[in-house]
Amino acid sequence: DQQVKQNSPSLSVQEGRISILNCDYTNSMFDYFLWYKKYPAEGPTFLISISSIKDKNEDGRFTVFLNKSAKHLSLHIVPSQPGDSAVYFCAASSKFGSQGNLIFGKGTKLSVKP
Amino acid sequence: EAGVAQSPRYKIIEKRQSVAFWCNPISGHATLYWYQQILGQGPKLLIQFQNNGVVDDSQLPKDRFSAERLKGVDSTLKIQPAKLEDSAVYLCASSRDPGNYGYTFGSGTRLTVV
Repeated sequence: DQQVKQNSPSLSVQEGRISILNCDYTNSMFDYFLWYKKYPAEGPTFLISISSIKDKNEDGRFTVFLNKSAKHLSLHIVPSQPGDSAVYFCAASSKFGSQGNLIFGKGTKLSVKP
Repeated sequence: EAGVAQSPRYKIIEKRQSVAFWCNPISGHATLYWYQQILGQGPKLLIQFQNNGVVDDSQLPKDRFSAERLKGVDSTLKIQPAKLEDSAVYLCASSRDPGNYGYTFGSGTRLTVV
């Protein structure tokens, strides 16, 4: 049973436009959410996170939105750049579980076309 | 700051053989994780160490997988005997403490079992 779901395996966006990556979760005990970015043959790199006490967190071109009632979060990238082309993983954790244990989604492959 | 070092980068073995992976975390990082990423899936936690003690190994197949973290620094993950379904990328990650979820991943070891 997948607790973190990324239902879109891939997304293609034109350079300069907005990229929106979506993530749904089922476990209401999750209280911290993260996005990781992964290039081929490299390990995932931490991108941005959000605590469940917030509904938005912004870092430069990256913004994460959290809708707790819908158990949904999204990552917005504005404007998208070709260097953003990578696989993006959504991850979640709960302080009531083992600290540090992240539950990952399957990832969404983003392609940004020049 | 040097990253998380892993070796080897690639390994091909026959089923029923044994294999070992090595990880050197970022200096000063007390928490170390081993994740397994099967093709098309997100990373899944196998084991978490805090210094040289095990925090969580609930998802480690203990009949064939073992891990240790000597002196709270380097860690090795071993599989014996390997099965075809163990083919995956094995990722090591570290963080300063278990509450810090934005941890740093290594590039991983890609294992192919034939």
